[in-house]
Amino acid sequence: QVQLVQSGAEVKKPGASVKVSCKASGYTFTSYDINWVRQATGQGLEWMGWMNPNTGDTGYAQKFQGRVTMTRTTSISTAYMELRSLRSEDTAVYYCARNLPSTGTFDNWGQGSLVTVSS
Amino acid sequence: QAVLTQPSSLSASPGASASLTCTLRSGINVGTYNIYWYQQKPGSPPQFLLRYKSDSDKQQGSGVPSRFSGSKDASANAGILLISGLQSEDEADYYCMIWHSSAWVFGGGTKLTVL
Repeated sequence: QVQLVQSGAEVKKPGASVKVSCKASGYTFTSYDINWVRQATGQGLEWMGWMNPNTGDTGYAQKFQGRVTMTRTTSISTAYMELRSLRSEDTAVYYCARNLPSTGTFDNWGQGSLVTVSS
Repeated sequence: QAVLTQPSSLSASPGASASLTCTLRSGINVGTYNIYWYQQKPGSPPQFLLRYKSDSDKQQGSGVPSRFSGSKDASANAGILLISGLQSEDEADYYCMIWHSSAWVFGGGTKLTVL
């Protein structure tokens, strides 16, 4: 069955970077885009960007431009999201989710990775 | 003004119907958009419910009961998620989403209480 398994929780200091991984299985990794969505505690969903694992093409939400990078290693079917210059407001659960290109049908999600930014 | 606006909360009784709205910002015409709906229960990632553009162009999520359906109210410039025959398990947060200006945009979410 389709699975997206994310890396574990992280605690980072302000100004640091975090890199979250999302390992896909049960489908052809390069056939679906990977999106990253975050959710602060008690808050709504916030889309961060997408990546095409086949081409490496990316698109980022304006809010995160210059601070986020989405990459992949196709040989191990794993996508990554790196967020730099962390601040306390970046404390959130980060989800990866797959979708067919050009559709908003995020039909499978990772379990989420909690990133805590605290001094 | 936010691109998508959802009421923060809604309450309804078991067996009744609930209509959750997702209002698009003025100047963004709901008729041209696919509206996606997601359900999220505490401690879990969101789950795709359905996509609705028109009665002839819609998609139900895998395993999603037919009592979840989508529609639009053009006069209100809003997408609607209708849940009929409410059950206690429908208590959750519901989010709408569209593709706008080269980005996926979520509404703020509606917390549905079934009591």
